[in-house]
Amino acid sequence: QQQVKQSPQSLIVQKGGISIINCAYENTAFDYFPWYQQFPGKGPALLIAIRPDVSEKKEGRFTISFNKSAKQFSLHIMDSQPGDSATYFCAARLRGEKLTFGTGTRLTIIP
Amino acid sequence: EAGVAQSPRYKIIEKRQSVAFWCNPISGHATLYWYQQILGQGPKLLIQFQNNGVVDDSQLPKDRFSAERLKGVDSTLKIQPAKLEDSAVYLCASRPPGASRDTQYFGPGTRLTVL
Repeated sequence: QQQVKQSPQSLIVQKGGISIINCAYENTAFDYFPWYQQFPGKGPALLIAIRPDVSEKKEGRFTISFNKSAKQFSLHIMDSQPGDSATYFCAARLRGEKLTFGTGTRLTIIP
Repeated sequence: EAGVAQSPRYKIIEKRQSVAFWCNPISGHATLYWYQQILGQGPKLLIQFQNNGVVDDSQLPKDRFSAERLKGVDSTLKIQPAKLEDSAVYLCASRPPGASRDTQYFGPGTRLTVL
């Protein structure tokens, strides 16, 4: 019940296209859903996050869509750029701040 | 502002040997975390400190792993003895007091290979 399932494992998108990464959870006690971006040799960095009382949050080219009834949330990257190539992790936080991470999606943006 | 510092960046040891990792959080950050990131997986929290006290170590394999933050600043994580399955990247993160609980700043990690 503590797991966060993430898909796909890897994703290749053409420059300018839309990248979509999906996550699903079971534990309804999760109260915060961040996405992290990780470049090779670096630690994860917080990208964008959403709370379950909001269905969508947009920051620049990055949008989180949240479906509370389905217990799913997704990251959309609009106008994907080569610099977006990285591994993306969704996560969910229990009250008390412990983060549970998904397994990651390796995104590659091709010219 | 300097980021979270970790050393060494890479370490290769044989199984049953001991190893220690060091983390220096961002100045003034009271909360410090150690995560284990196995290849192909997301980070898993090992231990969380608030100043020099342990807040959560429920996922720390205490028979072989230990961590300390004696003066509430830098921290060390030790594995003794190491097993093959300990091969992973060990990430340190910190959070400033009063900041959102989600604001964790990660260091570059230490990549451990156990042969």
